[in-house]
Amino acid sequence: QKEVEQNSGPLSVPEGAIASLNCTYSDRGSQSFFWYRQYSGKSPELIMFIYSNGDKEDGRFTAQLNKASQYVSLLIRDSQPSDSATYLCAVIIRKAAGNKLTFGGGTRVLVKP
Amino acid sequence: DTGVSQNPRHKITKRGQNVTFRCDPISEHNRLYWYRQTLGQGPEFLTYFQNEAQLEKSRLLSDRFSAERPKGSFSTLEIQRTEQGDSAMYLCASSFGTATIPSGANVLTFGAGSRLTVL
Repeated sequence: QKEVEQNSGPLSVPEGAIASLNCTYSDRGSQSFFWYRQYSGKSPELIMFIYSNGDKEDGRFTAQLNKASQYVSLLIRDSQPSDSATYLCAVIIRKAAGNKLTFGGGTRVLVKP
Repeated sequence: DTGVSQNPRHKITKRGQNVTFRCDPISEHNRLYWYRQTLGQGPEFLTYFQNEAQLEKSRLLSDRFSAERPKGSFSTLEIQRTEQGDSAMYLCASSFGTATIPSGANVLTFGAGSRLTVL
């Protein structure tokens, strides 16, 4: 089992719709969760982070965390063509040598006008 | 420029040659990370420094890889005797973290990356 898992996509959504991205993780004790966006050929950039169960909203983005189910999701409301990118879920995984930020493989999102 | 800077942006080399990448983090950040990313995959952790101390090194990092951060500022990543499997984007990231602000240490800012192609 991978430490952080995402569907690779592509997830195709029409402009104006809601894009829903999912991520599961293996470390039940993880406390910190992040969503990064990566445009083709560019480096990842942080969208938002979430530490507590429930929802966290930031503009058109909402992160949802359920630690009991080891599940974190990202909703993108009113999707725009400029949201077309790969979205990376990242989780702090605890290791004996120290905690490290571990990424999933990413979900590619295509927003069609 | 207050972002994370990486050089060179692109490097093409022949198998067996040595290459070195440099990363200049955000000046007030005390932590520096190296990740490797191949096409269609998420970034894979390689190593990280807190100030000048290398605190963790992934098993992905073979003996041919070495990283330094001699004065706690910029860092270099050297790959000796390159192999075709080393072809990837090498990403550097930095953050600021202390014992009293652990969450800040987890917010990484990435550089633009150094793309390595080994022929």
